[in-house]
Amino acid sequence: DVKVTQSSRYLVKRTGEKVFLECVQDMDHENMFWYRQDPGLGLRLIYFSYDVKMKEKGDIPEGYSVSREKKERFSLILESASTNQTSMYLCASSLSDRIYGYTFGSGTRLTVV
Amino acid sequence: DAKTTQPPSMDCAEGRAANLPCNHSTISGNEYVYWYRQIHSQGPQYIIHGLKNNETNEMASLIITEDRKSSTLILPHATLRDTAVYYCIARPHNDYKLSFGAGTTVTVRA
Repeated sequence: DVKVTQSSRYLVKRTGEKVFLECVQDMDHENMFWYRQDPGLGLRLIYFSYDVKMKEKGDIPEGYSVSREKKERFSLILESASTNQTSMYLCASSLSDRIYGYTFGSGTRLTVV
Repeated sequence: DAKTTQPPSMDCAEGRAANLPCNHSTISGNEYVYWYRQIHSQGPQYIIHGLKNNETNEMASLIITEDRKSSTLILPHATLRDTAVYYCIARPHNDYKLSFGAGTTVTVRA
């Protein structure tokens, strides 16, 4: 089974801190994605990457950046965390053939205080 | 992506088939229908997808109407562990993105 592993299940950070959320997949998937999920707003795409060192903005990239130095790892960076970035963050991966489904990680619940 | 419409919630009895409807009347020819589910406190899980033919896998069956304006996800023998939010998504095959709506909250009762 494909596994997508997110480094932390729960995280509490202070306003203004730089925050790194890590995601690793073990099945050689080309595409990786970062979503956030908020009540009433559903899942919203922040960034995605279709190859190493490649990235594209999703629907809500403001306040975030990403890094993909290796195929298996996709990092989401909050340059200066703010309280409105308190959310559930979900990483996903998929094969390059885009009709296939995504595999999601279990999520990181980030609280910014 | 074509807009999809699902009922906000439904109940079903354990051991019975659960039939989850989805309306996608504006779907275009290159859009696949995908189903995911999200169990509480977990990430969404891929279930099944199809273009125009009915599909079946170990988790579920997907029935797409001939005009492709609607579909039904069938969980043949629902268990308590099938309690989740189920999302129906219409997505072009050449689009990276998945857009999740509100989904249907399915509660399986003993």
